[in-house]
Amino acid sequence: EDQVTQSPEALRLQEGESSSLNCSYTVSGLRGLFWYRQDPGKGPEFLFTLYSAGEEKEKERLKATLTKKESFLHITAPKPEDSATYLCAPWGAGNNRKLIWGLGTSLAVNP
Amino acid sequence: DAGVIQSPRHEVTEMGQEVTLRCKPISGHDYLFWYRQTMMRGLELLIYFNNNVPIDDSGMPEDRFSAKMPNASFSTLKIQPSEPRDSAVYFCASSKPDGQYNEQFFGPGTRLTVL
Repeated sequence: EDQVTQSPEALRLQEGESSSLNCSYTVSGLRGLFWYRQDPGKGPEFLFTLYSAGEEKEKERLKATLTKKESFLHITAPKPEDSATYLCAPWGAGNNRKLIWGLGTSLAVNP
Repeated sequence: DAGVIQSPRHEVTEMGQEVTLRCKPISGHDYLFWYRQTMMRGLELLIYFNNNVPIDDSGMPEDRFSAKMPNASFSTLKIQPSEPRDSAVYFCASSKPDGQYNEQFFGPGTRLTVL
């Protein structure tokens, strides 16, 4: 059965304190893994797609990496505006267009 | 470009009433998804359409839920009769018609409260 687990559930950082969020997955025939950001009261906002192990993508202070079992979202020198919930969603070959969503990591960055 | 549009943004109703949620996908996107989000269960896919045809409705909780897509620019999710456990945020998302591409773009959501 396809599964995804995100850790930690919540993370509090000081501004400038770098850290990483983890997304562990078990999916048959991974076609891609998606990272989204969700602000309170809003819909998830697309950040990255990773397609194969070893791939990395960057956007401002965020860098996403992928292995065969995990994906990491590295946050370098975060700012308060990076505070949000970060969701990962792997896409398996047997799922047509259906994504398997994690419960997310709630990140708070204090000034 | 306008993003995914949902209405209403908030809905408060009483148990037993009919609720209709509406969605307009991004123009040119031929996949449309309906999700429900709660603190306990996160994002759950209810149903999705391709070219206005329902493809997978295995996430629809029960017969009280129904969804339609009469044309490429409009979809509805209906709950009849509504129950307090249906209280959640309902999102609509759409994506492009590309086999290798499944990036889904979400609307702002409808927060439903059933009293």
